[in-house]
Amino acid sequence: EAQVTQNPRYLITVTGKKLTVTCSQNMNHEYMSWYRQDPGLGLRQIYYSMNVEVTDKGDVPEGYKVSRKEKRNFPLILESPSPNQTSLYFCASSLWGASDTQYFGPGTRLTVL
Amino acid sequence: DAKTTQPTSMDCAEGRAANLPCNHSTISGNEYVYWYRQIHSQGPQYIIHGLKNNETNEMASLIITEDRKSSTLILPHATLRDTAVYYCIDKNRDDKIIFGKGTRLHILP
Repeated sequence: EAQVTQNPRYLITVTGKKLTVTCSQNMNHEYMSWYRQDPGLGLRQIYYSMNVEVTDKGDVPEGYKVSRKEKRNFPLILESPSPNQTSLYFCASSLWGASDTQYFGPGTRLTVL
Repeated sequence: DAKTTQPTSMDCAEGRAANLPCNHSTISGNEYVYWYRQIHSQGPQYIIHGLKNNETNEMASLIITEDRKSSTLILPHATLRDTAVYYCIDKNRDDKIIFGKGTRLHILP
C-alpha cells in the first residue's frame, strides 16, 4: 500500500533532550516536507527536500534540522527541544515538487515539558 | 508572498451542496490550484486540483474563474463525514507550500 509513515505517533519529552521523528515513504517520491500545526495558525512548513541531499528551509525552520540521505526517508531532528515546539507534526511527500499532489503521514503529536 | 484567502467557517445542511470559495489573486499562470481537507487531527487528504478548466472527480468539483484569481470547491451532496477543515493551496516563489488557515466546514444534520 502506498503510504507515508511517521514514528512515533505520540511523544512526551523534556526540554533539551534530543529527539528524532522519522518519516518514510514507499512511493519513490522526490519531494518530501515537514509541517507543524498549531491551534489558530494552521499548517506551517518547516523544511522541504527536492531530492536526496537537497534540503531547504520552509517558513518556520528555527530549532529543527532535517536530512535526506536516502530518497525514502526524511527525519526531523530536534537537537534541543523547547516547550514552544509542542505541536502536531506532519510529514508529506509528492512525486516531484510543491506543485504536485501531496501525500501526508498520520501525524506525530509532540509534547515538550 | 503569495497566499490564499478563505472564509473561516461555513455551515451546510446534510444532503445539500457545499460551496467553498478561495481567493488566490497572486497565483501565477502555470500553477495549479489544489484543495485538501483535514478531518479532525488526521493528515490532510488530497481532494482535487485544476489549472484553468473546471474539474470533477468522485469527491468534488472545482470551478476556477477565467482570470484564475479565485476558485470554488463544490461537494455536491454533503454528508456528516465531510465535516473537516478545507484548504486551498498556493505556493510562493521559492517552491514552498503555503497553507492558509482553511475553512472549517460544519455539516448540519
